[in-house]
Amino acid sequence: SAVISQKPSRDICQRGTSLTIQCQVDSQVTMMFWYRQQPGQSLTLIATANQGSEATYESGFVIDKFPISRPNLTFSTLTVSNMSPEDSSIYLCSVEGPGTDTQYFGPGTRLTVL
Amino acid sequence: GESVGLHLPTLSVQEGDNSIINCAYSNSASDYFIWYKQESGKGPQFIIDIRSNMDKRQGQRVTVLLNKTVKHLSLQIAATQPGDSAVYFCAENAGGTSYGKLTFGQGTILTVHP
Repeated sequence: SAVISQKPSRDICQRGTSLTIQCQVDSQVTMMFWYRQQPGQSLTLIATANQGSEATYESGFVIDKFPISRPNLTFSTLTVSNMSPEDSSIYLCSVEGPGTDTQYFGPGTRLTVL
Repeated sequence: GESVGLHLPTLSVQEGDNSIINCAYSNSASDYFIWYKQESGKGPQFIIDIRSNMDKRQGQRVTVLLNKTVKHLSLQIAATQPGDSAVYFCAENAGGTSYGKLTFGQGTILTVHP
């Protein structure tokens, strides 16, 4: 499996501001994924980030709101822009393990927007 | 869109009992299924997976059963322990153009009483 870290682990932000979440993997991976988990709910895929190409967003998520960077094979960032209280969620990144379809998740970033 | 759902949102068992967590899926094209365990304040942790060409797979104290006829997935935990208390999610991957995209079920809260 891959070892994944995220920064920050949690944050409390004011509405209208933006937060950039970092995801670091201990090995090179082709595909990285960003998920949102709203309070008490399941996970929803935001986008798929491949190195060297634009991220692919799922229905209901747009690049202006959730810009993603993927500068290399071990790192990605997700920005939550112009935040509102409805953006309060856990944001998780995941990667596929080497030679497998299995996705492994980071510890998540717990975001509260006031 | 396609979705994955669970029959029971909560499950309480006594320590030492066997637990069964169920999941219904609707996408007949899904060919890969994963069970995750999420403890409070942590990211989802991989438990076990199964491909659509199998109907049963066993791990350490866990068994996943897949019934493609009725599109049903279950996770069996033998000799449940208090440390098994968590939220359990099933997830499906349809493959093809949806390669890598996981669709998660709503989750089941498992509580193990000592």
